[in-house]
Amino acid sequence: AQSVTQLDSHVSVSEGTPVLLRCNYSSSYSPSLFWYVQHPNKGLQLLLKYTSAATLVKGINGFEAEFKKSETSFHLTKPSAHMSDAAEYFCVVNPTFGNEKLTFGTGTRLTIIP
Amino acid sequence: NAGVMQNPRHLVRRRGQEARLRCSPMKGHSHVYWYRQLPEEGLKFMVYLQKENIIDESGMPKERFSAEFPKEGPSILRIQQVVRGDSAAYFCASSGQGYTDTQYFGPGTRLTVL
Repeated sequence: AQSVTQLDSHVSVSEGTPVLLRCNYSSSYSPSLFWYVQHPNKGLQLLLKYTSAATLVKGINGFEAEFKKSETSFHLTKPSAHMSDAAEYFCVVNPTFGNEKLTFGTGTRLTIIP
Repeated sequence: NAGVMQNPRHLVRRRGQEARLRCSPMKGHSHVYWYRQLPEEGLKFMVYLQKENIIDESGMPKERFSAEFPKEGPSILRIQQVVRGDSAAYFCASSGQGYTDTQYFGPGTRLTVL
């Protein structure tokens, strides 16, 4: 079985300061991990994905995430927040094989303070 | 290169009516997934289909909900005799391969049951 935990339901940062959104996962196998972003009343957009290649993954809009197997974590970071980053972020575990489904975290709402 | 398309974007139904949601996968994709997002929650898997086949419907409510992906045309999620609890955002995703492939999401259909 697999699961994913997003440790913060809400995060607020000032514009221009770093962003850290935390995600821990559990999986019976080496998983693929994703971050998706959802802007208000919009669909989900893929930010980045980890698929067992480099452990530091760079995504769109300046975001990156580091896969740490020893900590079972896949935290999302950005050096400098922009107002347009305000959205809901979902950490997602994808099975590498078998019949497990895509498993979503409950989401972290990121607010940017001007 | 059109992405995943869903229509309608917003759907209002009265209790007892039928809701029909459509999803056209990304070009070249033959795997379709439906998810439901309740307010303030992450996405929950409902059903996984390939052309003319339901592969996994373990997330579908046992009654009133059905899904199909015909040989020609979009995938349809049908909800019969809607109730207020069916009010949610319904997202469709598609992939080129099965569960282990990256899923791309449509903009969603927001169903409101009055």
